[in-house]
Amino acid sequence: EDKVVQSPLSLVVHEGDTVTLNCSYEVTNFRSLLWYKQEKKAPTFLFMLTSSGIEKKSGRLSSILDKKELFSILNITATQTGDSAIYLCAVVPTTSGTYKYIFGTGTRLKVLA
Amino acid sequence: EPEVTQTPSHQVTQMGQEVILRCVPISNHLYFYWYRQILGQKVEFLVSFYNNEISEKSEIFDDQFSVERPDGSNFTLKIRSTKLEDSAMYFCASSEQGRGPHREKLFFGSGTQLSVL
Repeated sequence: EDKVVQSPLSLVVHEGDTVTLNCSYEVTNFRSLLWYKQEKKAPTFLFMLTSSGIEKKSGRLSSILDKKELFSILNITATQTGDSAIYLCAVVPTTSGTYKYIFGTGTRLKVLA
Repeated sequence: EPEVTQTPSHQVTQMGQEVILRCVPISNHLYFYWYRQILGQKVEFLVSFYNNEISEKSEIFDDQFSVERPDGSNFTLKIRSTKLEDSAMYFCASSEQGRGPHREKLFFGSGTQLSVL
């Protein structure tokens, strides 16, 4: 059965800290891995990763994929209170005809001022 | 930036009643999806829709569920006879047309919180 596991489940840090969120997966015929941020309701897109070892970066956020070890990490440096959210990892298997996402449970991040 | 819009934001219904959840996907998108998230659990895929027909559906999407694109802009999810366990946040999503990686990036709506009493 296809599976996506995120850790930790929740995390509390102070502003300025650096955090690393983990996502491991077991899927048939991996195609891509995506990270989303869910603040109030709608998940919003952060990154899509398809190739191993290539870092994607956007401001203080970065992510990398390891297809051999079947995991991805999302790094947030110099955290701010606005980074407080649930971070969702999703994997798309190629067996899916229309890119059905398999989500992890999410990591709830709280950044304290 | 274009958005996926969902209405209503909250829906309360009695068990056994029919509900219709509505979504307006981004206008040039051709692939449409419904996901749901039961409180405290993972976001789960329900169904995908392309070219006016269901492309794929999960085991959750049984005969009580149906989807429709009635007028070229709206995309609806109908639950014929709601059960208590249908209580969840329902997300609509859409993605671009074309080939390549862009089609995998989903744009989600803000969700409809369905409460079945």
